[in-house]
Amino acid sequence: GENVEQHPSTLSVQEGDSAVIKCTYSDSASNYFPWYKQELGKGPQLIIDIRSNVGEKKDQRIAVTLNKTAKHFSLHITETQPEDSAVYFCAASIGQAGTALIFGKGTTLSVSS
Amino acid sequence: NAGVMQNPRHLVRRRGQEARLRCSPMKGHSHVYWYRQLPEEGLKFMVYLQKENIIDESGMPKERFSAEFPKEGPSILRIQQVVRGDSAAYFCASSEQGGHGANVLTFGAGSRLTVL
Repeated sequence: GENVEQHPSTLSVQEGDSAVIKCTYSDSASNYFPWYKQELGKGPQLIIDIRSNVGEKKDQRIAVTLNKTAKHFSLHITETQPEDSAVYFCAASIGQAGTALIFGKGTTLSVSS
Repeated sequence: NAGVMQNPRHLVRRRGQEARLRCSPMKGHSHVYWYRQLPEEGLKFMVYLQKENIIDESGMPKERFSAEFPKEGPSILRIQQVVRGDSAAYFCASSEQGGHGANVLTFGAGSRLTVL
């Protein structure tokens, strides 16, 4: 079946450093790639997304890049802050109709001050 | 805008009982999705519904699980004869548009089911 691989599973950085999380997907029809941040005891919150007609998107300290040929996309967080500590999930839309999302298993990001 | 509302937030059931989880989508959203999250795992798609219709239930277990989104009222995920393996967090999401890669989902805070 279709799947999304996410690496690393845990990531520890010092405050002010950059963090990069990478995902690969298998469904060549996927055309929508969101990233979610989940804090303990809460639901996932959309932080940034990218569609297949765009190679890169940036929103302040967060950026996402997409390589459709290689079927991988990455989340970049610059100037990390302790409040960035959370679990981050990548996802890809399923199939041509894109009726649902397949999620990666998540990356636990810890930012120490 | 109250966002996606799920209740109960926590539910404890004994094996063999029924669990009912409710989800009210964001105002103006007519598409509802249910996902299940096991500990240390990502979210797994279960079912996608619009009002009175199941659009995609490819992620639903074949037995004991059902979902509905009636014309009036919240969407309901129903688990009959629960077993310990059903213990998980169940998240509901809604979107204004559906399909064709337009899935900007807004998630609720989840319902955490514990089966004793």
